[in-house]
Amino acid sequence: DSGVTQTPKHLITATGQRVTLRCSPRSGDLSVYWYQQSLDQGLQFLIQYYNGEERAKGNILERFSAQQFPDLHSELNLSSLELGDSALYFCASSVEGGGIRGSTDTQYFGPGTRLTVL
Amino acid sequence: AQKVTQAQTEISVVEKEDVTLDCVYETRDTTYYLFWYKQPPSGELVFLIRRNSFDEQNEISGRYSWNFQKSTSSFNFTITASQVVDSAVYFCALRQGTGRRALTFGSGTRLQVQP
Repeated sequence: DSGVTQTPKHLITATGQRVTLRCSPRSGDLSVYWYQQSLDQGLQFLIQYYNGEERAKGNILERFSAQQFPDLHSELNLSSLELGDSALYFCASSVEGGGIRGSTDTQYFGPGTRLTVL
Repeated sequence: AQKVTQAQTEISVVEKEDVTLDCVYETRDTTYYLFWYKQPPSGELVFLIRRNSFDEQNEISGRYSWNFQKSTSSFNFTITASQVVDSAVYFCALRQGTGRRALTFGSGTRLQVQP
């Protein structure tokens, strides 16, 4: 158990709908990262938050958004869902991540949310 | 740009055999970090090891060992005396040393250990 929790574990919805995925980081971790794992794209970084602020963006679609709350949990919102959005969405957390200096910290992953869009 | 290549898509071995998973990376950074993660059939990603670019010492942890060679940009992972529980997809990942902390993953190697 990494200490990172994600809910729900599974989500089945229809095209055009909107869903929210939730992540709670490990105790003490300030950074949250979202990744998408799909068969055709593999594991891809979506976005990072550090202590409530967006820190880095990856291959995140405009239909997707995220935020990190004062209690450090994070939510990933996916809207206008398409069949191609079906994937496993992972949240990871790490202790650091807010500065420009190098860091040796490690990202620990949650169990993932499997999203199926029908 | 960073890139991680895991050329072996799938490997099948018989229990107790040794197996090596290859990882080749590309980066322009002088400081960077390499990782291995394991994804068992249950789906979660489990952290195995982190290696810093300035530390080329090989590491052994039980039946697992890692060989880091900067000269060939490789970070290979060997499982000695494989067991059925080692069956999983293994991912190699790279992170730059400063600034952006996102992981760049390889495409993964599926290891099947037959009893």
